[in-house]
Amino acid sequence: DAMVIQNPRYQVTQFGKPVTLSCSQTLNHNVMYWYQQKSSQAPKLLFHYYDKDFNNEADTPDNFQSRRPNTSFCFLDIRSPGLGDAAMYLCATLAVPYNEQFFGPGTRLTVL
Amino acid sequence: QKEVEQNSGPLSVPEGAIASLNCTYSDRGSQSFFWYRQYSGKSPELIMFIYSNGDKEDGRFTAQLNKASQYVSLLIRDSQPSDSATYLCAGSGFQKLVFGTGTRLLVSP
Repeated sequence: DAMVIQNPRYQVTQFGKPVTLSCSQTLNHNVMYWYQQKSSQAPKLLFHYYDKDFNNEADTPDNFQSRRPNTSFCFLDIRSPGLGDAAMYLCATLAVPYNEQFFGPGTRLTVL
Repeated sequence: QKEVEQNSGPLSVPEGAIASLNCTYSDRGSQSFFWYRQYSGKSPELIMFIYSNGDKEDGRFTAQLNKASQYVSLLIRDSQPSDSATYLCAGSGFQKLVFGTGTRLLVSP
């Protein structure tokens, strides 16, 4: 009964080769988030959707884009991965009214 | 700059002791605060949240919030080796969370 699902769990790509990470949720939550987390650092918010309204963080590189075709699914596209983009990518959803965020298991991205 | 600060640790406690994790925040507009546990290589897992001044207990965990002093704490009673993890504190903004960098807890048998 997984609630936030991320695929794949591990992704290896080559420098500059586009990659897409996916997230799905069975919670019917309106808000979905993408975070990047590097070792020993806090999760860093990349962007979030409120329904179909897209909100980009000011310091999110243009190399990162996102799509949300429906309530259940959200995708993270990295157009030209660099070595510095190797990280854990976390998807999360928001529950009201107390704004708890529930995270998926994450996708570990390796860039060769 | 809205910040949440935590001591990175590690905080070492013996099994059965009380572990006390602390967090301070700068944004007085934050309404709710969250404690997440994160094992190495895994995603954050929500332990509990608090939005009112005072204490909130859930099993072995007690969250404390003091809005006047802008601090949040998490007490873990009867600490177990399985509690060894990084604990992330987060404060809520509008549709967003601001995370601290986490405190690493080590519980020794």
